[in-house]
Amino acid sequence: DQQVKQNSPSLSVQEGRISILNCDYTNSMFDYFLWYKKYPAEGPTFLISISSIKDKNEDGRFTVFLNKSAKHLSLHIVPSQPGDSAVYFCAASDTPLVFGKGTRLSVIA
Amino acid sequence: DAGVIQSPRHEVTEMGQEVTLRCKPISGHNSLFWYRQTMMRGLELLIYFNNNVPIDDSGMPEDRFSAKMPNASFSTLKIQPSEPRDSAVYFCASSSGTSGYTFGSGTRLTVV
Repeated sequence: DQQVKQNSPSLSVQEGRISILNCDYTNSMFDYFLWYKKYPAEGPTFLISISSIKDKNEDGRFTVFLNKSAKHLSLHIVPSQPGDSAVYFCAASDTPLVFGKGTRLSVIA
Repeated sequence: DAGVIQSPRHEVTEMGQEVTLRCKPISGHNSLFWYRQTMMRGLELLIYFNNNVPIDDSGMPEDRFSAKMPNASFSTLKIQPSEPRDSAVYFCASSSGTSGYTFGSGTRLTVV
């Protein structure tokens, strides 16, 4: 049973528009969430994180929102760029990290 | 720092053969993780070590899989005998108590 769920396997967005990637979790004990980005033939790399005591964390074009009551988080990328095309993994901070299945984002020029 | 180093990058082997994947974690990191990426299951944890000791191997699919960490700078994941359904990308990651996970570039395994 997946504790971290990314229900959209893929997403296509026009360059310059907003990309919204969603993630749901089931374990209310999770207190820290991370997003990783993965390019082909490379390992995942850390992108942005959020603690459960916050509802928003922003880093440049990337913002993560957390809705604890809904057990839902989302990653917003504004504006989207072709270089953002990658697979994005949501992860919850348990030991070890629990990852979702990933969402493949394609940003179309 | 060269990051987490995995070898080989690609491995093609015949069903029934033994396969050994290797990982060198970042110096100073005391935790090491083996993940497998497939389309169906995404990134799934196979096993992790803390201070060279296996802590949780519940993700190892079956007895054909084994992992060792003989010292702080080296770990292996072995599949014997290999089967076509083992084909996937295998990632090694390491971390310290205060850092996130750093992943290697992965080993793409194809069992024919």
